[in-house]
Amino acid sequence: DTEVTQTPKHLVMGMTNKKSLKCEQHMGHRAMYWYKQKAKKPPELMFVYSYEKLSINESVPSRFSPECPNSSLLNLHLHALQPEDSALYLCASSPRGQGTVSGNTIYFGEGSWLTVV
Amino acid sequence: QQQVKQSPQSLIVQKGGISIINCAYENTAFDYFPWYQQFPGKGPALLIAIRPDVSEKKEGRFTISFNKSAKQFSLHIMDSQPGDSATYFCAALHREDSNYQLIWGAGTKLIIKP
Repeated sequence: DTEVTQTPKHLVMGMTNKKSLKCEQHMGHRAMYWYKQKAKKPPELMFVYSYEKLSINESVPSRFSPECPNSSLLNLHLHALQPEDSALYLCASSPRGQGTVSGNTIYFGEGSWLTVV
Repeated sequence: QQQVKQSPQSLIVQKGGISIINCAYENTAFDYFPWYQQFPGKGPALLIAIRPDVSEKKEGRFTISFNKSAKQFSLHIMDSQPGDSATYFCAALHREDSNYQLIWGAGTKLIIKP
């Protein structure tokens, strides 16, 4: 089973709203990721959590705030977003720490479509 | 160089034909090369992947050919079907310190004509 589950699938929010995207995996993976994808572009890395600790923050604006409550869950808290933040937000996970690069294939969820109005 | 160059940007193939997508890289520290398939409105799904000590890997109608000396790899889709119409991304997995990151190609939009 290589399932990463994301909710909600679609979200429309105003620029003054606070909302959250949620991600869950039960594969025992110890690395979890948030990516942002614009139309016709590859995904762009936003954050990486490794063993529940934030290990990479790709200079993402503070209006995006990640949280990793436990090894299976990953949240992305959204506040005061701009219309240009409208995109597909992808959660992903990988095994990590299993000694080989090929053991660290990254698996993606279906994504959450975010529209900021 | 932290880049993976992918071509073509778009590709139209007749049903039953062979689809070929090419990628090239510079950084010899890349040591795992996955291909992702993405349908409209969906997340990328891992299709097939290869390590650089292997020259070819085949899974069903999908084959990766890898040329380590040329730092190039390609995806071949045999007997292409309309259901294969999607965007394909090549990528390279890179380890920096204790973090693994994907370096992505720009993507190829593949259309299979019935």
